[in-house]
Amino acid sequence: DAGVTQTPRHEVAEKGQTIILKCEPVSGHNDLFWYRQTKIQGLELLSYFRSKSLMEDGGAFKDRFKAEMLNSSFSTLKIQPTEPKDSAVYLCASRGQGAGDTEVFFGKGTRLTVV
Amino acid sequence: GDSVTQTEGLVTLTEGLPVMLNCTYQSTYSPFLFWYVQHLNEAPKLLLKSFTDNKRPEHQGFHATLHKSSSSFHLQKSSAQLSDSALYYCAANYGNEKITFGAGTKLTIKP
Repeated sequence: DAGVTQTPRHEVAEKGQTIILKCEPVSGHNDLFWYRQTKIQGLELLSYFRSKSLMEDGGAFKDRFKAEMLNSSFSTLKIQPTEPKDSAVYLCASRGQGAGDTEVFFGKGTRLTVV
Repeated sequence: GDSVTQTEGLVTLTEGLPVMLNCTYQSTYSPFLFWYVQHLNEAPKLLLKSFTDNKRPEHQGFHATLHKSSSSFHLQKSSAQLSDSALYYCAANYGNEKITFGAGTKLTIKP
């Protein structure tokens, strides 16, 4: 069974560009998360979907970050326009139905560099 | 708001010595608690999680004890191995179903 798949693995963008990161969750999972990973802040939640409905939009990341889930097996994260401070690893994760202690499965992430 | 605190950003130990990585959580609620581990160039994955019946979770020699009195869920191992070098995240589910992560602790084990 495939895990969480993220593409591309690496992305280099110029300041001001629009980039779109892609994620395919584990088949059958209802919950999907987007996180930004940095050494200083650790894992910061960008968006959380349950059954394709946006449950959490990550507050501080609203203005230039937009996550969408058009169907249950595919999600995108758009950053528009990109800024150098957006350089980080972006992780997608999914979770199946269950109790509050249900495991979250992560993809390997997309490393974004904005120059 | 919901929060998880990991006080050490970097921990370096010699192989064979005991490991303890700190994690504290906001005590207003009783969240589900987790430890995730991320090895270099890999995805984070679940290491262990708290039980509702107060049993102590264990996996790959690691264990974590939930202390409600101090709002802590520290990760421990009696003897570090070189392969334990990784990034460790403490996380909590406060009942609203999103997972809140700490800032992470990078553990480096030296020979």
